[in-house]
Amino acid sequence: EIVLTQSPGTLSLSPGERATLSCRASQTVSSNYLAWYQQKPGQAPRLLIYGASNRATGIPDRFSGSGSGTDFTLTISRLEPEDFAVYYCQQYGSSPRFSFGPGTKVDLK
Amino acid sequence: QVQLQESGPGLVKPSQTLSLTCTVSGGSISSGGYYWSWIRQHPGKGLEWIGYIYYSGSSYSNPSLKSRVTISVDTSKNQFSLKLSSVTAADTAVYYCARESYGDYAYFDYWGQGTLVTVSS
Repeated sequence: EIVLTQSPGTLSLSPGERATLSCRASQTVSSNYLAWYQQKPGQAPRLLIYGASNRATGIPDRFSGSGSGTDFTLTISRLEPEDFAVYYCQQYGSSPRFSFGPGTKVDLK
Repeated sequence: QVQLQESGPGLVKPSQTLSLTCTVSGGSISSGGYYWSWIRQHPGKGLEWIGYIYYSGSSYSNPSLKSRVTISVDTSKNQFSLKLSSVTAADTAVYYCARESYGDYAYFDYWGQGTLVTVSS
């Protein structure tokens, strides 16, 4: 089973700052099968990035994804007020087919 | 625009069976090309994939839950359903249905709003 670890657990930043979120896998993950989601309180997760670096439909270009192998990164170039949320990485592949990281909370400094 | 909506009891007694239905609108389950999944989130915690079903009826579940999970599809109603048997307090969670896009990539692009199911006597 591939385990995803996200760091930091919480990132305290101000609007306009750059956010760098890390997702590390316990085994190699195909870049095609790494995705990122944003979740706000009381809402379902929203797909941001798929295939490690492809923005989903309607996602602003301040969101970008990168990485390969076991290390992946989600970058928010300039935080907007609506970006304060929890971010999850997700991998597809080995059993149990899909797994998610524990999340990184981006909150207001 | 595809929309998914979960429905079912918000309270289930321990040892009983949790039953939820997801109604899909804006797209047909029968058209194929997607898997239809259930995902849950324990209060204040992360996300756990439960299982999926294809329009043909083929399904697969998370091995950690497999013996208790049944996922079915009703293409005439454009719905798919989850049954989780022998529930305990540990099954208290928000349950989401979602559309899985697979192929060159694999991700969940549409989600229901989620429904909280509490297991309590």
